[in-house]
Amino acid sequence: NAGVMQNPRHLVRRRGQEARLRCSPMKGHSHVYWYRQLPEEGLKFMVYLQKENIIDESGMPKERFSAEFPKEGPSILRIQQVVRGDSAAYFCASHPQGGKETQYFGPGTRLLVL
Amino acid sequence: SQKIEQNSEALNIQEGKTATLTCNYTNYSPAYLQWYRQDPGRGPVFLLLIRENEKEKRKERLKVTFDTTLKQSLFHITASQPADSATYLCALGMNTGFQKLVFGTGTRLLVSP
Repeated sequence: NAGVMQNPRHLVRRRGQEARLRCSPMKGHSHVYWYRQLPEEGLKFMVYLQKENIIDESGMPKERFSAEFPKEGPSILRIQQVVRGDSAAYFCASHPQGGKETQYFGPGTRLLVL
Repeated sequence: SQKIEQNSEALNIQEGKTATLTCNYTNYSPAYLQWYRQDPGRGPVFLLLIRENEKEKRKERLKVTFDTTLKQSLFHITASQPADSATYLCALGMNTGFQKLVFGTGTRLLVSP
């Protein structure tokens, strides 16, 4: 059973470009979380999604950031017009319906904005 | 203000000794607390969960305590091995209707042979 998959693992963008980060949860998992980890900081919750629904996006910046989890395919975290401050590691995590509080994390995408 | 604190300095210990890591928090009322391990360039891996009504939890060489009065959790690794070297994160779980986790910055553990 494959774990949570994220791609790309590394992404380099120039200021003003768009970044698209993908997350495929574990098989059978219908809940996805996105976190951001800045250097020397803890993981910060960004958004929680279920299939076709955003449940809580209280941790996501209001502008330039969006997330989706379509009925088919991976969850996407999209950052428009990236700035240097967006450079960070972005992790997604998943758990099944009725999961017992354990989140399974992917390997992360390291975004570098030049 | 709300804070969750872990010792930012690395903890260096000798193989075979017990490592003890601390997680303190203020102005949170977590329903549970989790510990994760994170290796460089990888995502966190879940280790243990302890609920607010539990004092202690054990799993193999790992032991976690949770004191809601002191607002503190201690994480112990007994008979430590060099392979235990990693960053250990604590995370508070809130009763928000979903698993909203608040993470500490982590403590790096180095176990020397």
